[in-house]
Amino acid sequence: QVQLQQSGPGLVKSSQTLSLTCAISGDSVSSNNAGWNWIRQSPSRGLEWLGRTYYRSKWYNDYAVSVKSRITINPDTSQNQFSLQLNSVTPEDTAVYYCAREGAAELGHWGQGTLVTVSS
Amino acid sequence: QSVLTQPPSVSAAPGQKVTVSCSGSSSNIGNNYVSWYQQLPGTAPKLLIYDNNKRPSGIPDRFSVSKSGTSATLGITGLQTGDEADYYCGTWDSSLSAYVFGTGTKVTVL
Repeated sequence: QVQLQQSGPGLVKSSQTLSLTCAISGDSVSSNNAGWNWIRQSPSRGLEWLGRTYYRSKWYNDYAVSVKSRITINPDTSQNQFSLQLNSVTPEDTAVYYCAREGAAELGHWGQGTLVTVSS
Repeated sequence: QSVLTQPPSVSAAPGQKVTVSCSGSSSNIGNNYVSWYQQLPGTAPKLLIYDNNKRPSGIPDRFSVSKSGTSATLGITGLQTGDEADYYCGTWDSSLSAYVFGTGTKVTVL
């Protein structure tokens, strides 16, 4: 049974870097059948997909256009986890952040969510 | 701005049926599998339906989906108070190369 456990600070200052980690149990970040996604949710933007990393003989990343210049999603095979880094944050980046496992075309398992507040 | 459009809210009495529509385009719903997610208050979204009309283990068959062209519809029959939640459609958008979500619909049991 796949479980995702998120960790990271709930408060970040403007212009700094938001960093979150998602630890995986019951699957491998290097699985050839899964993708590892970050999504955020705020009242103003609704559910917003940020990006993903996945392994298909080599590592790939896809990022949303809205954050492409500021985002990095990295796998960590030694810890079986993946991370989100979002640079140069502003109060507009305040949201609940979720990690999620992608199967064939669905987001079947989600982390518990982390409220990240960006202070000005 | 979401590229998938849903009604803000729908409601019905216990035991009745509600439907939630999700309207998109040929680059998303028209050519990709649609999933539906249920979000209870204060919790993470949960997968409800995937691959257009498959249910994960534990999801009752009161939940079903139909798809036609660039739109999909979630149906909930035998409505229960526990079904009160926000519901979102989601799918891959081939033009954006991004996963996209609907605007969300609040289901209320009267």
